Amino acid sequence: DTEVTQTPKHLVMGMTNKKSLKCEQHMGHRAMYWYKQKAKKPPELMFVYSYEKLSINESVPSRFSPECPNSSLLNLHLHALQPEDSALYLCASSQDGSGRSYEQYFGPGTRLTVT
Amino acid sequence: GEDVEQSLFLSVREGDSSVINCTYTDSSSTYLYWYKQEPGAGLQLLTYIFSNMDMKQDQRLTVLLNKKDKHLSLRIADTQTGDSAIYFCAESSFTGGGNKLTFGTGTQLKVEL
Repeated sequence: DTEVTQTPKHLVMGMTNKKSLKCEQHMGHRAMYWYKQKAKKPPELMFVYSYEKLSINESVPSRFSPECPNSSLLNLHLHALQPEDSALYLCASSQDGSGRSYEQYFGPGTRLTVT
Repeated sequence: GEDVEQSLFLSVREGDSSVINCTYTDSSSTYLYWYKQEPGAGLQLLTYIFSNMDMKQDQRLTVLLNKKDKHLSLRIADTQTGDSAIYFCAESSFTGGGNKLTFGTGTQLKVEL
């Protein structure tokens, strides 16, 4: 089983709203990732958690706040977003953050629209 | 910085072979990947190749790696309409406890009957 699940599938939010994206995997993976993908563009890394600790933040604005409550779950809290933040948000996981974890599996994504 | 480059579009007939090319930038990448993305969906890991290999075959997929030229290709034999999708190559770097993937610009493959 190489499944990563994400909820919700679609989200529409206003610029003053607070919402959260959720990601879950039960493969025992210890590294989890958030990527952002704009239309007709490749995914771009936002955050990496390794063993439930934030290990990489790709200079993402503070209106995006990641959280890893346990080894299976990854959240992305959203607050005061801008219309240009509308995108597909992809979660991924891999065995761990070392050179051995070469397979990275992606979820189906959350399509976010900011109005 | 430099982009991982791919041609934007490829059209083939059903049953023909498809070859998707990628020029990557990081010569220290340990693994190089191919992902498939269908409309409205996430990324599906198709295959990957270790940097000390020059070829890997996996059923209908063949990956060729030319490290000297930093060139990666994906050949799909007997292409089917279900192969229509966007294909991304990706290079990897293991930094700060994570396996950071940098994706190519993506190639849209269209398979015609």
